[in-house]
Amino acid sequence: GAGVSQSPSNKVTEKGKDVELRCDPISGHTALYWYRQSLGQGLEFLIYFQGNSAPDKSGLPSDRFSAERTGGSVSTLTIQRTQQEDSAVYLCASSSDSYGYTFGSGTRLTVV
Amino acid sequence: RKEVEQDPGPFNVPEGATVAFNCTYSNSASQSFFWYRQDCRKEPKLLMSVYSSGNEDGRFTAQLNRASQYISLLIRDSKLSDSATYLCVVRAGGGNKLTFGTGTQLKVEL
Repeated sequence: GAGVSQSPSNKVTEKGKDVELRCDPISGHTALYWYRQSLGQGLEFLIYFQGNSAPDKSGLPSDRFSAERTGGSVSTLTIQRTQQEDSAVYLCASSSDSYGYTFGSGTRLTVV
Repeated sequence: RKEVEQDPGPFNVPEGATVAFNCTYSNSASQSFFWYRQDCRKEPKLLMSVYSSGNEDGRFTAQLNRASQYISLLIRDSKLSDSATYLCVVRAGGGNKLTFGTGTQLKVEL
């Protein structure tokens, strides 16, 4: 597609449930990133995939968070046993080189 | 100390004013620098890269001072449509990961 696509755009879930967030990057972009942004806060790095290299998971806040990227394209971010502090906008971005990122419109996650 | 620091604002300026935002970064190995713009409840979008020699794009001028680890963005002749949060962004050497500042909010008023 022309841009980075994320789904769902909004997700409300009960505390303790698992959620999956999907990101479809720009075709041909080798790098894919997940960030999250809490209300009024800056962007917090979560995880980064670059080609076939091992992902940089250094930003994942706990072992309840995991992500995979299949076939070098679509990525899924999974949050297990969601907590209220997981409520945020989860942003995916992709890039093809050392230039800037293109972000998707995000998934707004609310844990109730 | 945060890797990228910005004054959160808000900066309230009248239409037509010139406004400047500053940003400092802590990692001296940082190699690439950007300004992103984020509108309310929207995703960040790349505004411009920042080059060592300074660069200009229309009403926007970005400058980098590596010695002081300082980046600036100047907006001339502010428009109502410039109202947004401006994010200072830095890439350290050795990877593509970007580190974002928390942003400076600009409100341009009539």
